[in-house]
Amino acid sequence: KAGVTQTPRYLIKTRGQQVTLSCSPISGHRSVSWYQQTPGQGLQFLFEYFSETQRNKGNFPGRFSGRQFSNSRSEMNVSTLELGDSALYLCASSLGGFRMNTEAFFGQGTRLTVV
Amino acid sequence: GESVGLHLPTLSVQEGDNSIINCAYSNSASDYFIWYKQESGKGPQFIIDIRSNMDKRQGQRVTVLLNKTVKHLSLQIAATQPGDSAVYFCAENSGGSNYKLTFGKGTLLTVNP
Repeated sequence: KAGVTQTPRYLIKTRGQQVTLSCSPISGHRSVSWYQQTPGQGLQFLFEYFSETQRNKGNFPGRFSGRQFSNSRSEMNVSTLELGDSALYLCASSLGGFRMNTEAFFGQGTRLTVV
Repeated sequence: GESVGLHLPTLSVQEGDNSIINCAYSNSASDYFIWYKQESGKGPQFIIDIRSNMDKRQGQRVTVLLNKTVKHLSLQIAATQPGDSAVYFCAENSGGSNYKLTFGKGTLLTVNP
């Protein structure tokens, strides 16, 4: 069974540009959540999607957005990139049914560097 | 200005010893907890989970203990091996059925052969 796949693995962007990251969850998983990991702030929740709907959102500015498609694949977008957006962006997938807490499995992440 | 990284607690053990990693969580309403292992350059790897209606759960070589009274989790690793060297995070699901994991800052475990 394939794990969570994130693409691309590495990205270098310039300040002011925008970027789109992709996540393919484990087959059958309908919940996809996104996290930002930095040395200064650790792992921080960005947002979570289930059946194409955003169910939960963290404390990040509106420049960070996401969406989920009918096949559960998800993308996140960061517009007007800032140097502080340099981070490892992680995607996690889980079954995510109503009132179900089940294991969340992470991908390898996308390392974004903003220069 | 200069960025300050998280000051990770560290635990250094000898191969074959048992390791205990501790974590304090923040939300008394959290009902689900997970331990993750993260090796350099990789995403967090699921180790074991526990629901709030339990106080202990065992896996292969690992045991998680939950003390809701003091909002404390611990991960015990038996017969620690060099391959166990990594950063370990506890995470609490504070979003109910809507996944919103809040992570601790992590503990760096180093296993000396």
